Amino acid sequence: QSALTQPPSASGSPGQSVTISCTGTSSDVGTYNYVSWFQHHPGKVPKLMIYEITKRPSGVPDRFSGSKSGNTASLTVSGLQAEDEADYYCSSYTASNNFVFGTGTKVTVL
Amino acid sequence: EVQLVESGGGLVQPGGSLRLSCAASGFTFSSYWMTWVRQAPGKGLEWVANIKPDGSAKNYVGSVKGRFTISRDSAANSLYLQMGSLRVEDTAVYYCARGWGGFDLWGQGTLVTVSS
Repeated sequence: QSALTQPPSASGSPGQSVTISCTGTSSDVGTYNYVSWFQHHPGKVPKLMIYEITKRPSGVPDRFSGSKSGNTASLTVSGLQAEDEADYYCSSYTASNNFVFGTGTKVTVL
Repeated sequence: EVQLVESGGGLVQPGGSLRLSCAASGFTFSSYWMTWVRQAPGKGLEWVANIKPDGSAKNYVGSVKGRFTISRDSAANSLYLQMGSLRVEDTAVYYCARGWGGFDLWGQGTLVTVSS
């Protein structure tokens, strides 16, 4: 099972928006609506930001939103804030009855 | 307090074994799928294995099948990962996480180093 493909980096100025893509195949992202996004500050514990493509857990700001088109899922962070600077990972359920993470994207707030 | 606490990591030689534990508290452990995720040094997250609430179903990533065994003890509110035939490439921080897909609670992780 190959990792889902994410861009290595993304950046934006405070207040701007940044969108991160997560590209898989018809065996994972393209078929199943079980795509999640995690925020990971180095040295800290990963945090669930989005699940089932678009759903936000309680406490996650509505600046974070998810979507999917075909084999690609996306996470958009609107109104960028300094604390949004972190690594972001997508994950998806797969046809092999397991899960796969993305390669990770480092978001920098300029 | 709702939390997960891993233990059992350490230094082990290639070919050796290690058992990781994850103690759950503050929630009904027996109602949740549980998952192990790892992160090798300087690398991304990798899903390792999960187990159904009643323990009747277990799934593994291909690279650990036949070498790792996930299990749970609801009476002890604990999750385990028995790791055998360890390889250098198994070196990572191992996290336990609650849930099947949307992993909404994570432990702080335990470091496993496989080296001679």
